[in-house]
Amino acid sequence: SAVISQKPSRDICQRGTSLTIQCQVDSQVTMMFWYRQQPGQSLTLIATANQGSEATYESGFVIDKFPISRPNLTFSTLTVSNMSPEDSSIYLCSVAWDRGYSSYNEQFFGPGTRLTVL
Amino acid sequence: AQTVTQSQPEMSVQEAETVTLSCTYDTSESDYYLFWYKQPPSRQMILVIRQEAYKQQNATENRFSVNFQKAAKSFSLKISDSQLGDAAMYFCAYFGNEKLTFGTGTRLTIIP
Repeated sequence: SAVISQKPSRDICQRGTSLTIQCQVDSQVTMMFWYRQQPGQSLTLIATANQGSEATYESGFVIDKFPISRPNLTFSTLTVSNMSPEDSSIYLCSVAWDRGYSSYNEQFFGPGTRLTVL
Repeated sequence: AQTVTQSQPEMSVQEAETVTLSCTYDTSESDYYLFWYKQPPSRQMILVIRQEAYKQQNATENRFSVNFQKAAKSFSLKISDSQLGDAAMYFCAYFGNEKLTFGTGTRLTIIP
């Protein structure tokens, strides 16, 4: 496992602004992922953050709305752009290591960022 | 696409008793992994237990064990000797095609 931190832990933002969420891991990891958890709901994968290449987005999520950076093997950011109240959610990053066969199957999660958009 | 179904939105159990949380999934794959995650009010997602589909033996982790029925595509979690600290949302998750898919969760309440 690893120690994963996220900043900020929570924020309240105004409609139309953007917020960048940071995810920091205390050791090098192969893969990093970003999830959204809307109020009272389950987790939905937004994208997979690849070091040195573009992030891979899931259906329903686009780079213009959720740009992601992965500058090295221990850090990633997710930006929520042009926010609306519908973006109010918990955003979680997770990490995984390449274990060979069926890689990345065991993911460890950060503490999450609770975002409220007014 | 894979789907994961948790049919019990809420469950409660007396402290020290045993409770079983249900999970079913739908997949056409033969090799995959299944997980139970716990999310207490702190929001931290904590991995509780993991099961490889190719293993017939059910996984156990201390007071937590699973009943994995591959043919039935069922993966239930049994918590023995329930403790107050077990109170949380429990999510069943399926890993296949390099993607982790979560169920809708079961909120577990522990009654002192």
